[in-house]
Amino acid sequence: SAVISQKPSRDICQRGTSLTIQCQVDSQVTMMFWYRQQPGQSLTLIATANQGSEATYESGFVIDKFPISRPNLTFSTLTVSNMSPEDSSIYLCSVGGGTGDYGYTFGSGTRLTVV
Amino acid sequence: QQQVKQSPQSLIVQKGGISIINCAYENTAFDYFPWYQQFPGKGPALLIAIRPDVSEKKEGRFTISFNKSAKQFSLHIMDSQPGDSATYFCAASSPGGSYIPTFGRGTSLIVHP
Repeated sequence: SAVISQKPSRDICQRGTSLTIQCQVDSQVTMMFWYRQQPGQSLTLIATANQGSEATYESGFVIDKFPISRPNLTFSTLTVSNMSPEDSSIYLCSVGGGTGDYGYTFGSGTRLTVV
Repeated sequence: QQQVKQSPQSLIVQKGGISIINCAYENTAFDYFPWYQQFPGKGPALLIAIRPDVSEKKEGRFTISFNKSAKQFSLHIMDSQPGDSATYFCAASSPGGSYIPTFGRGTSLIVHP
């Protein structure tokens, strides 16, 4: 299965600032996914990132708040913009395939605290 | 609307006991049902998965039971060990959704030694 490197692993940020999270995959993949996991909660899909096209955002998430870049088939970034304490979550990068029939592989996540 | 409902939210089991986590779904288009295991500070990792053409799948101490008519599936952990202490997520996915998983809320399992 793919190996995903995600950084930073954690950060504490001031309200109103932005943080860019990087996701590097050890193999080329068509789609990369960004999830949010709020404390004690499930994983919610933010957007799907395809190389060479605009990311597709899920309901409740907008590009201005969570801009995504996908410059090549092994790398993506998610920016959390104009942060507020409500953005404090774990953000996870994921790719499909390679594990089981249709299992997904996740990075270790970025634990973001906004103060 | 929560498409995959998971219970219980938390579970405490003694070492050697059986841990049981239940999930129910509504979307009949789902045809792949994985379970993910997440340790603190790590991302979820695929543990075991089942397709609806079978009623049970076993891998070591982990078993999925699947009831298609009831739209329910469950994870059984036999001979639970302290190392099994983690958060478990059930999920469901469909070919129309590129098999992107829809997750349940998760179950925090603690196995006491």
